[in-house]
Amino acid sequence: NAGVTQTPKFQVLKTGQSMTLQCAQDMNHEYMSWYRQDPGMGLRLIHYSVGAGITDQGEVPNGYNVSRSTTEDFPLRLLSAAPSQTSVYFCASSYWAGTDTQYFGPGTRLTVL
Amino acid sequence: GIQVEQSPPDLILQEGANSTLRCNFSDSVNNLQWFHQNPWGQLINLFYIPSGTKQNGRLSATTVATERYSLLYISSSQTTDSGVYFCAADSGNTPLVFGKGTRLSVIA
Repeated sequence: NAGVTQTPKFQVLKTGQSMTLQCAQDMNHEYMSWYRQDPGMGLRLIHYSVGAGITDQGEVPNGYNVSRSTTEDFPLRLLSAAPSQTSVYFCASSYWAGTDTQYFGPGTRLTVL
Repeated sequence: GIQVEQSPPDLILQEGANSTLRCNFSDSVNNLQWFHQNPWGQLINLFYIPSGTKQNGRLSATTVATERYSLLYISSSQTTDSGVYFCAADSGNTPLVFGKGTRLSVIA
């Protein structure tokens, strides 16, 4: 098992550009989520999904879109990048949302100039 | 939603020392987990422990759900234990809420 994979590892964008952060898992997990990590802030939830075709907003969803067309993939889209979106982004998955161990991907470090 | 607070925010230890990290949460929990983020940024799940006590080598964790806290014990610390330790919890079938972490530095 590859576990949770994320691409790219690093990305630099200019303000206003769009991009998609990829996340995939091969553990047949129903639940997937995206977090951002900023210095001194811990991890904050952006969006999550409890299964294919179902997504919901987390604590900081503005400026981000998600979709879940398959169980395996959960891409995060930045529509028009802003410097405030400079952060490290983590994708996580588990069998269920509330009662299961979460597994994290290696992260994507994004810089918006 | 549930609030998660961790203490201390920073901790410096001599190699071989023991330490206790604390996590307080504001509501009853269905899910409580401890994670270690190593200096390279990787997040590793240490314990899934909504109640009771678990041990894994030099690490152990105890959650007292009725009093709304969890403790992570690190014994005989090693330099490889350095990093940030996060506690995360939820009060139902909802996403995990993370504390701000405890940054641990173990000095040889």
